[in-house]
Amino acid sequence: GQQVMQIPQYQHVQEGEDFTTYCNSSTTLSNIQWYKQRPGGHPVFLIQLVKSGEVKKQKRLTFQFGEAKKNSSLHITATQTTDVGTYFCAGPSSGYSTLTFGKGTMLLVSP
Amino acid sequence: EPEVTQTPSHQVTQMGQEVILRCVPISNHLYFYWYRQILGQKVEFLVSFYNNEISEKSEIFDDQFSVERPDGSNFTLKIRSTKLEDSAMYFCAGSNSWTGLGEKLFFGSGTQLSVL
Repeated sequence: GQQVMQIPQYQHVQEGEDFTTYCNSSTTLSNIQWYKQRPGGHPVFLIQLVKSGEVKKQKRLTFQFGEAKKNSSLHITATQTTDVGTYFCAGPSSGYSTLTFGKGTMLLVSP
Repeated sequence: EPEVTQTPSHQVTQMGQEVILRCVPISNHLYFYWYRQILGQKVEFLVSFYNNEISEKSEIFDDQFSVERPDGSNFTLKIRSTKLEDSAMYFCAGSNSWTGLGEKLFFGSGTQLSVL
């Protein structure tokens, strides 16, 4: 079945440093979604990417969808302590009603 | 912003007991899901539900699991005879259309199930 892999599993940065997490799918994706889960919380939708090569920005967050639509990345510029959490990418599974989530990248930010 | 409400927030049960996890989705959503997350691991799909029917289910969703929308507002997940490996955080989610087609998921705050 489809697999969605994310690296790194974990990253600890100093506040102000940049952070990037990478997501790779074993199959071509029609779209990819990113979610953030704060410690002890639930996943919250951040963004969806649909087009090949698409780049979207949300303040300090930049999301990219690869040309082949099999990989994606999330880059955070100048991290803040409020960025702490686990970032998941998710892509449609073989069925139409499900998302396959990556294992997530846990981000810790030290002040 | 509307929220998905889940109760209870924590449930402790003995192995072999039945549990029912409850969810009240956002009122205008028609597509519902249950996902689970074992501590520190990824979010795993269990089942999707639309028009009072299961649309898809994963291998995890075996005969011990069932879902129901008994009264048009609540959406429940029942585990008939719990096993130790059922211990996890269970998330209810909803969407405006099928998430596999690009609709975002709205997750509830989850029920932490502990099977002893």
